[in-house]
Amino acid sequence: KQEVTQIPAALSVPEGENLVLNCSFTDSAIYNLQWFRQDPGKGLTSLLLIQSSQREQTSGRLNASLDKSSGRSTLYIAASQPGDSATYLCAVRPNQAGTALIFGKGTTLSVSS
Amino acid sequence: GAGVSQSPSNKVTEKGKDVELRCDPISGHTALYWYRQSLGQGLEFLIYFQGNSAPDKSGLPSDRFSAERTGGSVSTLTIQRTQQEDSAVYLCASSNSGGASYEQYFGPGTRLTVT
Repeated sequence: KQEVTQIPAALSVPEGENLVLNCSFTDSAIYNLQWFRQDPGKGLTSLLLIQSSQREQTSGRLNASLDKSSGRSTLYIAASQPGDSATYLCAVRPNQAGTALIFGKGTTLSVSS
Repeated sequence: GAGVSQSPSNKVTEKGKDVELRCDPISGHTALYWYRQSLGQGLEFLIYFQGNSAPDKSGLPSDRFSAERTGGSVSTLTIQRTQQEDSAVYLCASSNSGGASYEQYFGPGTRLTVT
């Protein structure tokens, strides 16, 4: 059974720091991996999606990497800002068919000004 | 609409009552998913629709939970005889199953509180 773990559960950093959020999964047979952001009381916003054949994806100050063989992904946030404060969720899609995403419990990030 | 919409945004109900939660997916998206997010439990899959059929209902926690989808669009999640443990945020997502990435787009959720 696929399990997704995110470390750390919470992280506090001062504004301007670069930081890394970690995601690990137990079964390397995945179709893709998505990183989401969730603000308090809100739904999920997709940040980056990495296909199983890809190594990384970039969007602005965000960079996500994928090492499928070791069951790991990282989300790198450059020059963090208070507006980056949110919960970041990692989710894997097991296969191409219409299967549901399997989520980690998230990392809650707080960036202080 | 531009994104996935859900209604109501908040629902407070008494234990034992039935509730209906609605999801409007992105126009043209054939796949629709329901998830539940409970405090401390993370996001859990409930049910998946492809068109109007539900090939995967494995996440429904009990027979008090049911869902349907009509016209390949709107979906309704029904919880009968609600219990306090049903209190959670119910999230709906849709995706274009014809797309290469099968990326899922989420709605804002319905926060259900059972008193």
